[in-house]
Amino acid sequence: AQSVAQPEDQVNVAEGNPLTVKCTYSVSGNPYLFWYVQYPNRGLQFLLKYITGDNLVKGSYGFEAEFNKSQTSFHLKKPSALVSDSALYFCAVRSLAGANNLFFGTGTRLTVIP
Amino acid sequence: DAGVIQSPRHEVTEMGQEVTLRCKPISGHNSLFWYRQTMMRGLELLIYFNNNVPIDDSGMPEDRFSAKMPNASFSTLKIQPSEPRDSAVYFCASTMTQTKNIQYFGAGTRLSVL
Repeated sequence: AQSVAQPEDQVNVAEGNPLTVKCTYSVSGNPYLFWYVQYPNRGLQFLLKYITGDNLVKGSYGFEAEFNKSQTSFHLKKPSALVSDSALYFCAVRSLAGANNLFFGTGTRLTVIP
Repeated sequence: DAGVIQSPRHEVTEMGQEVTLRCKPISGHNSLFWYRQTMMRGLELLIYFNNNVPIDDSGMPEDRFSAKMPNASFSTLKIQPSEPRDSAVYFCASTMTQTKNIQYFGAGTRLSVL
């Protein structure tokens, strides 16, 4: 069965420092992996995805994610955190090949401290 | 495009009343998803449709919940009768195969059952 795990409920980082939000996955077949962000009182917004190709994927707002097949990880990163990056971040994986639904992780709350 | 449109944005009702949540997906999208988000349970997939047909409703909590998609541009999620434990934020999302499973979320409906 397809699944993702976000081992940290909360991540705190100082403004200007690099940030990492962790995600590991378990899939059969080739993974389709996604990151979404949720700001307060808003719906989830797509940040980036990995399907094939370069292991380093660049997305919106300066975020990037590195696909690591040997470690089955897809960590979200940003070189320099902004206070406005404070939000809830979700990792997700496509359920099955050809399916349109996603399995979401439990979310990680990122707080960037001024 | 206006994005996924949900109505109402907020709903306050009393226990036992019927509640109907509405969703208009992005034009041209062929899959629609209903999610529920709570602090305790996180983001849960309730049901999803492909081409207006329900594909997986295993996430629907119980018979009090029902969802319909009478056409490609409209879906409803109904709770009858409502209970306080149904209080949550309900999201609708849509996607199309050509976007490689990227789901676009509405702003959500915050439901409070008193």
